[in-house]
Amino acid sequence: SQQGEEDPQALSIQEGENATMNCSYKTSINNLQWYRQNSGRGLVHLILIRSNEREKHSGRLRVTLDTSKKSSSLLITASRAADTASYFCATDKGRRLTFGEGTQLTVNP
Amino acid sequence: EPEVTQTPSHQVTQMGQEVILRCVPISNHLYFYWYRQILGQKVEFLVSFYNNEISEKSEIFDDQFSVERPDGSNFTLKIRSTKLEDSAMYFCASTLGTGGAGANVLTFGAGSRLTVL
Repeated sequence: SQQGEEDPQALSIQEGENATMNCSYKTSINNLQWYRQNSGRGLVHLILIRSNEREKHSGRLRVTLDTSKKSSSLLITASRAADTASYFCATDKGRRLTFGEGTQLTVNP
Repeated sequence: EPEVTQTPSHQVTQMGQEVILRCVPISNHLYFYWYRQILGQKVEFLVSFYNNEISEKSEIFDDQFSVERPDGSNFTLKIRSTKLEDSAMYFCASTLGTGGAGANVLTFGAGSRLTVL
């Protein structure tokens, strides 16, 4: 079974709009993280939410976690062209992170 | 800001050849990892390394793969006899490893692209 599946696979919006990406997972988790990857580059950690938290904010990022539905969402508010990247959720159990398929976000100027 | 550095950025090799990918993790980090990403696919865990030994490995990490920390700074991934399907981006990462939930926040390198012909 796949752990960490994002939807949509691709999202295209205009600068200034909000972008919402969703992630579902199948097994129990300790924490859920979101990472960003610019094309051809490494992943950069954005935010971590613990399994006992429901919502977390960091700047223009808002993450929610619903452990009963085994799902999380990442909201980027007031998007900018520089937010164009792939976004991955990752669940951890022990030291291993399991990444989802990712959402490719394109923010058009 | 401290970063994880990887070399080479791109390597092209013939099938059956040995490849060594190198990484310099962040100096005070204790846990080291290799992940790979086949083009257009998800990032997959290969191996974690702590206290000079493998702490966990995935089913991908078979006998053709090995890791080593030959000195106090470098962390290497060796593929003994490369196959076409080994073509991927290989990412090194490290974590401090202590401090609650943040212990599993990975700092990734920029990656080494391996192309097997």
